[in-house]
Amino acid sequence: EPEVTQTPSHQVTQMGQEVILRCVPISNHLYFYWYRQILGQKVEFLVSFYNNEISEKSEIFDDQFSVERPDGSNFTLKIRSTKLEDSAMYFCASKGQGWNEQFFGPGTRLTVL
Amino acid sequence: KQEVTQIPAALSVPEGENLVLNCSFTDSAIYNLQWFRQDPGKGLTSLLLIQSSQREQTSGRLNASLDKSSGRSTLYIAASQPGDSATYLCAYVRIGGTSYGKLTFGQGTILTVHP
Repeated sequence: EPEVTQTPSHQVTQMGQEVILRCVPISNHLYFYWYRQILGQKVEFLVSFYNNEISEKSEIFDDQFSVERPDGSNFTLKIRSTKLEDSAMYFCASKGQGWNEQFFGPGTRLTVL
Repeated sequence: KQEVTQIPAALSVPEGENLVLNCSFTDSAIYNLQWFRQDPGKGLTSLLLIQSSQREQTSGRLNASLDKSSGRSTLYIAASQPGDSATYLCAYVRIGGTSYGKLTFGQGTILTVHP
């Protein structure tokens, strides 16, 4: 069964460093998303991506964040200069055409020291 | 600001019980509502999706209902098993605006089913 994959599963970085989180969405999907979950809190929407551009972003998704689909399979989230408060679980999700369900990856746990 | 509230926050039941998890939302412009399961430290597994034109969906021992007029959805789990222990999240997609399927989540119900 097709699934969303994410790498790495755990990333530890120093404050101020750049990190890139990687996702491989389900192959025939068209809509891609990043969400995050700070420990003990709700899952929060960060950004949606469709037709090679950002379609919607939350107030969390400031200039330190960027997304890219560099080829036909990968979808990346870059944080340019990490802060302590960026420590969270980051989930990638994808969905096909239409208003149907989103499928989530296993997440990348980002720890900023 | 749209809010999603899940009640109870935590639930502990003996194996075999039927149980109901509740999700309420303030936004009436719901396009669909999705229930997820999250195991500790893991990703989100989609359980059921209910379109706004539907009133319920069933998958195995799970049944989810949606009542847009009252702003509520329930997830019914029949004959609970220890393997059902997890956090259950509800999330909805809003109709219209610039939404491209953005999900708004509740905080979850932590379910423990003990043998």
